[in-house]
Amino acid sequence: NAGVTQTPKFQVLKTGQSMTLQCAQDMNHNSMYWYRQDPGMGLRLIYYSASEGTTDKGEVPNGYNVSRLNKREFSLRLESAAPSQTSVYFCASSEGLAGYTQYFGPGTRLTVL
Amino acid sequence: QKEVEQDPGPLSVPEGAIVSLNCTYSNSAFQYFMWYRQYSRKGPELLMYTYSSGNKEDGRFTAQVDKSSKYISLFIRDSQPSDSATYLCAMSAGNNNDMRFGAGTRLTVKP
Repeated sequence: NAGVTQTPKFQVLKTGQSMTLQCAQDMNHNSMYWYRQDPGMGLRLIYYSASEGTTDKGEVPNGYNVSRLNKREFSLRLESAAPSQTSVYFCASSEGLAGYTQYFGPGTRLTVL
Repeated sequence: QKEVEQDPGPLSVPEGAIVSLNCTYSNSAFQYFMWYRQYSRKGPELLMYTYSSGNKEDGRFTAQVDKSSKYISLFIRDSQPSDSATYLCAMSAGNNNDMRFGAGTRLTVKP
């Protein structure tokens, strides 16, 4: 039981490049999330998926797209990376949306030059 | 003003000390309150989960919620060097996408 896994662990991009961050969970959770964590800002929600086949915007969705590939997998795509997207990205999952505990992956450290 | 305020520290205490970590919030609709522990270069892991007001104890950890003051606390008794981490408070009103996190307090427990 690996919980929530993320790939890659580290990535360096040049401005304008694109990439996809992958996330998978093996807890049979319905809901999945993508957050970014910046110094002094706490975790901020980028997008979430309440259940397979649905996605919705969070606090800071601009510059990102997501795909809920199936119940296990939820990917985050940066189409044209910008230095402001340098951050640590965390994927999380939970059994449901309202009031359920979220379980986090180990994170992806992204630097955009 | 942020919805959730948390003193970033850093906080340094000797081993065995009682540690008090706090968050204040502005949204009176919050009713689910959580504390996460995050070790360096790792993902957050849930420590405590509380619904509405009151206290909850789990081993050396006690979470308190005072909704009238919009103030939550985490107490760590007999602190250990292994408790050295960043502690994040989080809270939700129980609606879609409304979970809000504090910026985290960095704690160091010195042997």
